[in-house]
Amino acid sequence: SQQGEEDPQALSIQEGENATMNCSYKTSINNLQWYRQNSGRGLVHLILIRSNEREKHSGRLRVTLDTSKKSSSLLITASRAADTASYFCAVRIQGAQKLVFGQGTRLTINP
Amino acid sequence: GAVVSQHPSRVICKSGTSVKIECRSLDFQATTMFWYRQFPKQSLMLMATSNEGSKATYEQGVEKDKFLINHASLTLSTLTVTSAHPEDSSFYICSARGADNEQFFGPGTRLTVL
Repeated sequence: SQQGEEDPQALSIQEGENATMNCSYKTSINNLQWYRQNSGRGLVHLILIRSNEREKHSGRLRVTLDTSKKSSSLLITASRAADTASYFCAVRIQGAQKLVFGQGTRLTINP
Repeated sequence: GAVVSQHPSRVICKSGTSVKIECRSLDFQATTMFWYRQFPKQSLMLMATSNEGSKATYEQGVEKDKFLINHASLTLSTLTVTSAHPEDSSFYICSARGADNEQFFGPGTRLTVL
């Protein structure tokens, strides 16, 4: 069963603007990860944030984690057309081996 | 980073045939491998988790007799879709996890059943 609920399901913005995607989950986790997937392609790992971390940066990416609210956000700053893709959060459930994915956000950056 | 390969990348088969998909960890030993299925414009759904040398653990609603998983070595896992039907058409993605718990994904296999 899906753990992550993402919103929005689809987001369309102009190039240069910031894009924010949110993810909520239901159980205790070890870590939360964000992935990107271009249409029909494999997954690209973006960033991992551990349950004891609150914020993490990687280039134009900023991820926050609020374990009390069981939610995370991914911010992409100064978006580019090449950022157009689907973005998924995935949680490593505490005490389990598996990585469970959210529904994903389809991001479109308009030039 | 570590590399996970899948073969074939695309397969088209007739209804009723069986299809085998291979997943290999190329430069590390994968103690655990995962198989996911993704329908168009949807997310990845975990099908099963397999540990080398033991039976796979299937997620609720996934038929173990339909989707046979073999994890015979630390670098190879196979998924066989038996008696495939058009509704089995999907994108199948494997993932491998090594001793340091980092998980890597394969490029996926697109299965089309006619």
